[in-house]
Amino acid sequence: GENVEQHPSTLSVQEGDSAVIKCTYSDSASNYFPWYKQELGKRPQLIIDIRSNVGEKKDQRIAVTLNKTAKHFSLHITETQPEDSAVYFCAASMGSYYGGSQGNLIFGKGTKLSVKP
Amino acid sequence: DSGVTQTPKHLITATGQRVTLRCSPRSGDLSVYWYQQSLDQGLQFLIQYYNGEERAKGNILERFSAQQFPDLHSELNLSSLELGDSALYFCASSVEGTLGEQYFGPGTRLTVT
Repeated sequence: GENVEQHPSTLSVQEGDSAVIKCTYSDSASNYFPWYKQELGKRPQLIIDIRSNVGEKKDQRIAVTLNKTAKHFSLHITETQPEDSAVYFCAASMGSYYGGSQGNLIFGKGTKLSVKP
Repeated sequence: DSGVTQTPKHLITATGQRVTLRCSPRSGDLSVYWYQQSLDQGLQFLIQYYNGEERAKGNILERFSAQQFPDLHSELNLSSLELGDSALYFCASSVEGTLGEQYFGPGTRLTVT
């Protein structure tokens, strides 16, 4: 089955710096790669996602890149702010537009990001 | 607020007992997924239901079962509880017409003593 590896497990940056989190996946059939942000004791929140037919996607200070050949994808956060501090999870799934398909997410172990003011 | 609701927020029970966790998906979403989050195992997929039918199974123990009702709410039943079952249990629903964009509920924190 699918396996997702995530690095680093902890990341500390100064406010205003960039942060990069990397993930690799094992199953070339995976085609949907979301990123979630989770604050302590709260729900994972979807912050950005990318499909396998796209190489890069941006949303303000957040961007995700995907290299299908190498089977890895990365989250880039620019101009980090203290409120970016949280645990970030990458995930992979074999999604389908057909309702009811098996689109369960396989998660990486998470990266604890600390942004120091 | 994701639109996914879960009850109860917290549950404390003893080993050997049985509990039921409840989830209501976002309006219009037909798929419900259950995930377990523990400190040492991270976020693990348990089971998926779509429009009342089981669609996929992950690392779900035989002591655990789930169902989805005609109104699309889902329940996760955990029985013969062990200390190691203590965890956060999330449900998520996926948006129809997407590749599986999932939104998570607030979770139920289960503590087994």
